[in-house]
Amino acid sequence: GAGVSQSPSNKVTEKGKDVELRCDPISGHTALYWYRQSLGQGLEFLIYFQGNSAPDKSGLPSDRFSAERTGGSVSTLTIQRTQQEDSAVYLCASSLVAGGASEQYFGPGTRLTVT
Amino acid sequence: AQSVAQPEDQVKVAEGNPLTVKCTYSVSGNPYLFWYVQYPNRGLQFLLKYITGDNLVKGSYGFEAEFNKSQTSFHLKKPSALVSDSALYFCAVRGFLDSNYQLIWGAGTKLIIKP
Repeated sequence: GAGVSQSPSNKVTEKGKDVELRCDPISGHTALYWYRQSLGQGLEFLIYFQGNSAPDKSGLPSDRFSAERTGGSVSTLTIQRTQQEDSAVYLCASSLVAGGASEQYFGPGTRLTVT
Repeated sequence: AQSVAQPEDQVKVAEGNPLTVKCTYSVSGNPYLFWYVQYPNRGLQFLLKYITGDNLVKGSYGFEAEFNKSQTSFHLKKPSALVSDSALYFCAVRGFLDSNYQLIWGAGTKLIIKP
């Protein structure tokens, strides 16, 4: 079946502009996660959604970052007033359920470059 | 505090030789353990996981991992390395009793297979 998809694959934006990154999870997966990965580095957790529960926003680095998940499916990560330090690859993952032994399946990522 | 350690930033192995990528963890109670691989310019792919039972877990691409409770380790292994195994490998853990649905991620180990 179809995996996790993300769009755009690449985004170049000027400092101060807003950007929206989209994630389409695997059908039937109730949990969705956003991560950030700097070049060749580890994963930084940003936010996760589980069903209709309130999202866990504990990893968002500032109030310029927000995310929503509509209808329990597609998610959008929005970065307002982008800064150069926001440049990174943004990865989305989904899992059948949150927690337990449920593994996460990742999309190909969106590479964000802020100039 | 819960944590995952991948003590080697980089592992170099000659093609055809066995490989080991190390991972140790600290969680409350029993762990769920995961290995992921990230090929260049790609998202993360799930390799294998340990839930319970047999300490030797087999996964994709000929990889296996051995759970050692006394040493709190979950090392990734492959009997004969291929050049195509060159990638970034991440270990992750979640505690069985953990109400936090996040995975705790290691910093990653770059595996280089020399022809």
